[in-house]
Amino acid sequence: DAGITQSPRYKITETGRQVTLMCHQTWSHSYMFWYRQDLGHGLRLIYYSAAADITDKGEVPDGYVVSRSKTENFPLTLESATRSQTSVYFCASRGAGNEQFFGPGTRLTVL
Amino acid sequence: DQQVKQNSPSLSVQEGRISILNCDYTNSMFDYFLWYKKYPAEGPTFLISISSIKDKNEDGRFTVFLNKSAKHLSLHIVPSQPGDSAVYFCAASGLGGGADGLTFGKGTHLIIQP
Repeated sequence: DAGITQSPRYKITETGRQVTLMCHQTWSHSYMFWYRQDLGHGLRLIYYSAAADITDKGEVPDGYVVSRSKTENFPLTLESATRSQTSVYFCASRGAGNEQFFGPGTRLTVL
Repeated sequence: DQQVKQNSPSLSVQEGRISILNCDYTNSMFDYFLWYKKYPAEGPTFLISISSIKDKNEDGRFTVFLNKSAKHLSLHIVPSQPGDSAVYFCAASGLGGGADGLTFGKGTHLIIQP
């Protein structure tokens, strides 16, 4: 499918477990982003990437790790999940323009 | 400290009337502004944007106005339709064009009443 996809769409895990959220885009966009959306906070930037093998921290990076070995993929890993990481996670990509295009989101619950 | 503020958590408008959503920002380095629309269980969808060198941008029923001196922008939807019921996010980017991410407001839930 063309566009930007995220998997899984829903995930329930336990405190202390490692979780990886996947993001895949078919546009060959250079820039990719991870945001989390929480009630009362809007969307906040976790990590971003300007190209393969280039990543940088956003506003709320603690507890998360990213990698980008291929242009089209940008996985987000929670190395040891905590309850405060219960959230909806959105991946986005950006091409030549300023607009970012978002995936459908992953709803993560940490018990 | 919030750099992009949407002070109205919700707004109810009658179908066919004008919807006006407001957004204020504090960072003078922001030079590009975007509006996104979000339905439940979906990702945000880009709606319309404006560069700081302009004061108005129009796209069909949607118009965004920018007042740089007041650090204020607004989204006008005319006429409002039932499908416009959604959460609207205001977002801003700096001189890098958003290459280092967007800063979002908390959103305004627009409800279009029949």
